[in-house]
Amino acid sequence: TQLLEQSPQFLSIQEGENLTVYCNSSSVFSSLQWYRQEPGEGPVLLVTVVTGGEVKKLKRLTFQFGDARKDSSLHITAAQPGDTGLYLCAGGGGQGAQKLVFGQGTRLTINP
Amino acid sequence: ETGVTQTPRHLVMGMTNKKSLKCEQHLGHNAMYWYKQSAKKPLELMFVYSLEERVENNSVPSRFSPECPNSSHLFLHLHTLQPEDSALYLCASSQVGISGQGEKLFFGSGTQLSVL
Repeated sequence: TQLLEQSPQFLSIQEGENLTVYCNSSSVFSSLQWYRQEPGEGPVLLVTVVTGGEVKKLKRLTFQFGDARKDSSLHITAAQPGDTGLYLCAGGGGQGAQKLVFGQGTRLTINP
Repeated sequence: ETGVTQTPRHLVMGMTNKKSLKCEQHLGHNAMYWYKQSAKKPLELMFVYSLEERVENNSVPSRFSPECPNSSHLFLHLHTLQPEDSALYLCASSQVGISGQGEKLFFGSGTQLSVL
């Protein structure tokens, strides 16, 4: 069974600080997705990475896929209160979205 | 108008009640999903419909019964639920491709279900 472990599970920091969230597995994935879920809403896809070592940037968010395609990280620079939410990583096996494996999430709170 | 709409947003039901959750997608996708989200647990895939046929059923108790009358609508019929079934139930859709690589899920806002 493929598992994705996210760390930390909870993170509360002040506005303007930097942070990194990790998503780790012993399994190899063909792709890795990151979603953000705000209170009272469903998850929204932020990015998909598919190549080992790939780095993608989305404004202040930097996503990296590990060289071996077993892990990923999300780095946020100068965090803002609007970044608050539950961040979910999901690993894909190349067999369609029904085979996505989700991590348990990192709940991020950015305090003004 | 959002891409995936779920109703109701909140539902409180007794263990002997029968209720249904509704999901509608306006994205032209050909696959729809039901997920269960509980505190401190990863999203649990319950059912998948691709091209209106059920292709995945992850050992979900029979008190949950899905229905997909067409590619835009998905229902989850609930009966004789247990308190441990209280959770956020999320509907999602995607466009199934030939390779399946990097398929993206589009989620609704969910139905927060409380079973008393």
